This record gives sequence, structure tokens and C-alpha cells, in this order.
Amino acid sequence: NAGVMQNPRHLVRRRGQEARLRCSPMKGHSHVYWYRQLPEEGLKFMVYLQKENIIDESGMPKERFSAEFPKEGPSILRIQQVVRGDSAAYFCASSQKQGISTDTQYFGPGTRLTVL
Amino acid sequence: DAKTTQPNSMESNEEEPVHLPCNHSTISGTDYIHWYRQLPSQGPEYVIHGLTSNVNNRMASLAIAEDRKSSTLILHRATLRDAAVYYCILRDSRNTDKLIFGTGTRLQVFP
Repeated sequence: NAGVMQNPRHLVRRRGQEARLRCSPMKGHSHVYWYRQLPEEGLKFMVYLQKENIIDESGMPKERFSAEFPKEGPSILRIQQVVRGDSAAYFCASSQKQGISTDTQYFGPGTRLTVL
Repeated sequence: DAKTTQPNSMESNEEEPVHLPCNHSTISGTDYIHWYRQLPSQGPEYVIHGLTSNVNNRMASLAIAEDRKSSTLILHRATLRDAAVYYCILRDSRNTDKLIFGTGTRLQVFP
């Protein structure tokens, strides 16, 4: 049973370009979470999605960032017009079901975005 | 979500037990105590969780104070592979989506 997969593992973009980060949850998981980790800091929640629905986007920056989790295919975190401050590690996690406080989130290896 | 307080760093020698403390004095009755760890250059991984009673699994043990205002993650025999940042997180059973990570405890293990 493959774990959470993220690609690419490393992404380099120039200022103003777009970054697309992909996350394939564990088999059987329909809940996806995105977190961002700035250098030397802890992880910060960004967004929580179920298939075709955004459940909680309270941690998403208001501009340039968007996320989706379509019926088929991976979840995508999209950053438009990247700036140097977007350089960070972006982690995706998945879980089987929400509403149970014991529900474990399984994390992917992350995508390390560098903006030149 | 209630806050947790952990030491910034701890050290241990290989093969020795490690006790990682966490204070959560404002914990509510519906909060579960979860521990995750993050190895260098990897995503976090779940370690253990509990509510009131002490818990054991293949990775670690969790000792929870009787008043639940503190807890301790116990690694019975530290290995070099246990060097990581350990996060103590409270999860409200009424609101279980996001995890709120603090700064955690960076554990160094020496051979």
C-alpha cells in the first residue's frame, strides 16, 4: 500500500511564474490537507479538502494560492505569480475520514519550492 | 485550540530511554493528545495519541498526568534514527481537521 505521494519533490521557479504541486493520497483516503513549512519554522495548516470540496481554507493566503481535489486524479496546490517568500516545503497529508479525533493524518515527503 | 509547551531541544545517548515532556495546562475535556515527529528532510509521521490513560505502541509510550495538564512521550531505547523534531499536538474531538504544530522539541541522539 503506497503512502502519500507528492511530486515534484523539488521545484524551482522564477518570480512571477506559476507553481503546481501535486498530491496523491493513500489508497482509500478521501481527505487531503496541505501544510507549509517555511525555513526553520513549524508546519502551518493551509487547506483541507475532500473530493471536489474545500472544507477549510482558513490557512490559505487570500491571493495567488488555490487548491483543488477533483473527483479523479491528485490534489493540486497552485501558486500563481510566485514570490521569494513562497519558498518553503509544502506537505500534503491524507486521512481516511474526518470527524473522529483519533483519525491519523499520513504525510507525504513534501515538495520543496525554491523561488529565484 | 489549546496551546502546548515543549522544550526546544533535548539530547540523549543511543540505547538510553528518552522522556519528552509537554505541558498543556489549558487542555479541555474534549482534547486528545497527539504526538508526531519529523525526521530531517521528511514529512511528519504519527507517533502516538491518547486521551486519559497511558498508551503504548511499537514506537513509543505516552504517559498522561492525572490532571491531563501535561504528558510525556517515552522512547524506551533511543536509536540514531529517532533523531527528529517531536511535536505534541492537541486535537479537539469536536473539530478534527487541521493539525496545529508548535515549534516542537528537537531530539539529538549521540552514538
